[in-house]
Amino acid sequence: SQKIEQNSEALNIQEGKTATLTCNYTNYSPAYLQWYRQDPGRGPVFLLLIRENEKEKRKERLKVTFDTTLKQSLFHITASQPADSATYLCAPRRGGGNKLTFGTGTQLKVEL
Amino acid sequence: NAGVTQTPKFRVLKTGQSMTLLCAQDMNHEYMYWYRQDPGMGLRLIHYSVGEGTTAKGEVPDGYNVSRLKKQNFLLGLESAAPSQTSVYFCASRTTGITYEQYFGPGTRLTVT
Repeated sequence: SQKIEQNSEALNIQEGKTATLTCNYTNYSPAYLQWYRQDPGRGPVFLLLIRENEKEKRKERLKVTFDTTLKQSLFHITASQPADSATYLCAPRRGGGNKLTFGTGTQLKVEL
Repeated sequence: NAGVTQTPKFRVLKTGQSMTLLCAQDMNHEYMYWYRQDPGMGLRLIHYSVGEGTTAKGEVPDGYNVSRLKKQNFLLGLESAAPSQTSVYFCASRTTGITYEQYFGPGTRLTVT
């Protein structure tokens, strides 16, 4: 069965550094991969979408890569700030599907 | 533009009681979804709808029913609540666009004792 893995351990980094979060998937081939941010007590918020034919996508301080050979997506936040502290969820999707499957998320804590 | 709203925000039920969670969206979205989120399990899809009058089962549909009588509303019902249904429930909606961006509501925290 398809499996999505995100590091369950929280990632603690210092302000100003680059945070890198990993999303690995097995047993299927998504055509798209989305990243969401979730703050405590709130619903997830969409950040970025990357397609299988795109190696990299950028939005302001965010960068996402998608390696279909490694079956992995990396999510980078450059010049991180305490306000970036949240849980980040990845959600791969097959082409033409109506549903998303979410990873369990990785909690990021950016310290002063 | 309120986006996606959910009612109620919190609820405590006793085992065997029933309740309905209401999700409303004002973005004219075709697709709507109900998820539950549990620690260590992530978001799991319960039921979804691809348009008014349609519903389909997701990953964990047992013990839940849904209805989409109006395009803007998606109701999730628990006929006989069980402690295993203690969770945070999120509703989401999206357009038919290719970005597939889902907009989530603020969640309903349900406790079944």
